[in-house]
Amino acid sequence: DVVMTQSPLSLPVTLGQPASLSCRSSQGLVHDDGNTYLSWFQQRPGQSPRRLIYKVSTRDSGVPDRFSGSGSGTDFTLKISRVEADDVELYYCMQSTHWPYTFGQGTKLEIK
Amino acid sequence: EVHLAESGGGLVQPGGSLRLSCAASGFIFSNYWMSWVRQAPGRGLEWVATIDRDGNEKYFVDSVRGRFTISRDNAKNSLYLQMDSLRGEDTAVYYCVRDPRASDYWGQGTLVTVSS
Repeated sequence: DVVMTQSPLSLPVTLGQPASLSCRSSQGLVHDDGNTYLSWFQQRPGQSPRRLIYKVSTRDSGVPDRFSGSGSGTDFTLKISRVEADDVELYYCMQSTHWPYTFGQGTKLEIK
Repeated sequence: EVHLAESGGGLVQPGGSLRLSCAASGFIFSNYWMSWVRQAPGRGLEWVATIDRDGNEKYFVDSVRGRFTISRDNAKNSLYLQMDSLRGEDTAVYYCVRDPRASDYWGQGTLVTVSS
């Protein structure tokens, strides 16, 4: 199985400042169809995950443009340009190139 | 509007069985692969099972293969997960997810607790 490793597991952030979340896969995520199926999700307590980014860098409708995704190969990043209070949640990366699809352990944003 | 509503969770003893259902609406259900994903209390997310549009292809994570069965009824816009020989480690919130590769819509989840 592809192992997804997120770092850090906890990220102290200052409101208004940028934040960068890392996700590394144990093998490449380029599918035979040429796409890289790497997604980012936000999860609030007691709620189901909400997709923010798919195929590495495509933002979902309604997701603020302060969120951006990047990366290739085995290294991927979710960046928040200016953290707002509403962003201080749990974030997961997920690969859906290889079955079984797998998630990272999650990165928890916390107010510094 | 896309809506996925899980039901069927509850408390079950180890070795017991439970059947989860997911009612889909707001999209053409038969056009999409579907999946179940679970999240143990305070833990991360784990793919459980996936089924293709017609119910012919099915995939399971190793930890549930042979114990869980995924199925669908396209006429009823419904997805199912039959869980047998349940273990304590199966305790989790189970989510119904549309289009596993995209994972664009998730239900609110149903809690399964395996305990004596």
